[in-house]
Amino acid sequence: QVQLVESGGGVVQPGRSLRLSCEAFGFTFSDHGYQWVRQAPGKGLEWVAFIWVDGSRESHADTVKGRFTISRDNAKNTLFLQMNSLRVEDTARYYCAKDMAINGLDLWGQGTTVTVSS
Amino acid sequence: QSALTQPPSASGSPGQSVTISCTGTSSDVGGSSYVSWFQQHPGKAPKLLIYAVTRRPSGVPDRFSGSKSGNTASLTVSGLQDEDEADYYCSSFAGTTSVLFGGGTKLTVL
Repeated sequence: QVQLVESGGGVVQPGRSLRLSCEAFGFTFSDHGYQWVRQAPGKGLEWVAFIWVDGSRESHADTVKGRFTISRDNAKNTLFLQMNSLRVEDTARYYCAKDMAINGLDLWGQGTTVTVSS
Repeated sequence: QSALTQPPSASGSPGQSVTISCTGTSSDVGGSSYVSWFQQHPGKAPKLLIYAVTRRPSGVPDRFSGSKSGNTASLTVSGLQDEDEADYYCSSFAGTTSVLFGGGTKLTVL
């Protein structure tokens, strides 16, 4: 079954770290670029980061730059988001998405929830 | 990195057509071939409707169409159906280093 499955979310105190994972099933993970997109409770979608198909380029939103890092492990069919120095405003549901073309996010995971609270 | 501007709400009766706008700048929507539209039902992950401004992925009904003029992209939903009631988001590459989303439009089918 073609799907993306996120994991790694949870409740964490401000300033701590979390690493999100997104494992791919049913297709060739290495053939595509990926994005992380988040959605705070009751709010809209916010782009977090993207990584190119060959991993040669990655970029992060200004709101997370220097704190979050997107990476991929093609051997494990897995996308990662390392989140350091977490803030209350990072509280959101985090989705990973496969890019079928540039910015054509045709497959999304179910999301994983991150809550940053003291 | 300011969000793209969408109307917060839109509505139409079954069978009618509705158009949702997405306004940016020449640095994003106006200068990008990579504008997408997503549909999100409550509690669900977003679904891709349109990519590359006008292209529809397989499986998306041709009732959904995209266009762009200047710095404004548009999504038109024709022949409205009850199941079209959802939140709709536009997205655009901004240069080569970032992606922007619109604030979202809640579509109500009357």
